[in-house]
Amino acid sequence: GNSVTQMEGPVTLSEEAFLTINCTYTATGYPSLFWYVQYPGEGLQLLLKATKADDKGSNKGFEATYRKETTSFHLEKGSVQVSDSAVYFCAFRGYSTLTFGKGTMLLVSP
Amino acid sequence: GAGVSQSPRYKVAKRGQDVALRCDPISGHVSLFWYQQALGQGPEFLTYFQNEAQLDKSGLPSDRFFAERPEGSVSTLKIQRTQQEDSAVYLCASSLRGGTVYGYTFGSGTRLTVV
Repeated sequence: GNSVTQMEGPVTLSEEAFLTINCTYTATGYPSLFWYVQYPGEGLQLLLKATKADDKGSNKGFEATYRKETTSFHLEKGSVQVSDSAVYFCAFRGYSTLTFGKGTMLLVSP
Repeated sequence: GAGVSQSPRYKVAKRGQDVALRCDPISGHVSLFWYQQALGQGPEFLTYFQNEAQLDKSGLPSDRFFAERPEGSVSTLKIQRTQQEDSAVYLCASSLRGGTVYGYTFGSGTRLTVV
């Protein structure tokens, strides 16, 4: 069935380190792919998206590329900040509904 | 409104009580979704509306869960005879229209605790 697999957290980094959070999906067809972020005590916010193969989504220094061959959508950032500490969710959208991964907590220390 | 509004923000219910959770989507958004997020997990789909029509309710965990959107705007998720396993954050989201391209805008959620 449809599913999203994310690397388990927490991911603990020092400020200015490089970030990668892996995400792979299983779905029929070529769904749109999303990364959502949930800051402590807040709701889910759309971070970035890609709607077709080889598209790169980017926002606030974060990037992810839609890789059809490997069914992946890994999230990267070149230099993380303390304010990036949050839970990150990878998701894809089928015809109507979003299917989420379990989330990866990122903790960035000064 | 500017965002998706959910109320109440927090709800404590005694086991066996009925609860009603409200979602006010972004004005003009056709699609509305309810998700359940257990502690430490990703959101799980419950149900989907397009305007007033409930097009998919496959995620509702039991017949104690019921959702409606009678006028195609505000939606209510009702849980009857609450159980402890119903404790979770209930998220509402809206989208401009259906299809695969559009992301959702989420509300802040209602945290339900059943004691």
